[in-house]
Amino acid sequence: SQQGEEDPQALSIQEGENATMNCSYKTSINNLQWYRQNSGRGLVHLILIRSNEREKHSGRLRVTLDTSKKSSSLLITASRAADTASYFCATDPSGTYKYIFGTGTRLKVLA
Amino acid sequence: DTGVSQNPRHKITKRGQNVTFRCDPISEHNRLYWYRQTLGQGPEFLTYFQNEAQLEKSRLLSDRFSAERPKGSFSTLEIQRTEQGDSAMYLCASSLGGPGGYNEQFFGPGTRLTVL
Repeated sequence: SQQGEEDPQALSIQEGENATMNCSYKTSINNLQWYRQNSGRGLVHLILIRSNEREKHSGRLRVTLDTSKKSSSLLITASRAADTASYFCATDPSGTYKYIFGTGTRLKVLA
Repeated sequence: DTGVSQNPRHKITKRGQNVTFRCDPISEHNRLYWYRQTLGQGPEFLTYFQNEAQLEKSRLLSDRFSAERPKGSFSTLEIQRTEQGDSAMYLCASSLGGPGGYNEQFFGPGTRLTVL
C-alpha cells in the first residue's frame, strides 16, 4: 500500500513560475525524501529532510516538513522545461528502512 | 560511471516461466533495495538488504518471489511461475547506511518485465 499521497496528481505551469506539490503520510517517520523521475534518467534523489527538521533548501528546491500534520511540501522556484517530470515523496516508517513512495505528482513546465 | 546497474534492461517471458534479474549496487553501499513500479504509480517496496542479510520483505511479496545478496555485493531477484500481473518495472536502489541510516538511495535504470 502507498503510505504517501502527493497532491496535486498533475500540475501544469509556465516556465519561470513556481511549482508547489504536497505529500501526506500516515505513520511517524525517521525522514522524508523527494525524488524526481523522468523517462530519460529514471529516479533521482532530490532532497532528504529528517524528522527533526522543519525546512531545507537545495538550489531552487525548498522542502518543508510538518510532522504534526504528517505532511511535506516541495517548492520548485523559477521552473524550467527540464523540471518536467514526476515527483515522489518517500518515507520510512519509524523503526524500519522500508521506504514507502507516494503516488506522485506529474509536473509539466511549458516553455 | 559507477552507478547502480541492472540486467537485463528488458525481459519478455511467457506466463509460467521463471525469470531472474540482477542488480549491481554502487560498490561501497551496504544497503540494497528492490522495488516494483507499474504505470502511473510510485515504486512499491519489495525487499531490503543490509549487507548480505535480508532485513525487510513486503507482505505483498508472494512466495514466488525470492531475492538474494550473496557476500553483500550484487543481488538477484527471482520470480517463479510468472503471471501477467507481474508485468512491471523492477527497480534496484542502493545506499550507504551510516548511524541513523538516513542516506539517499541511488536507483538503477530498472528491468522492464513483460509477461505474455
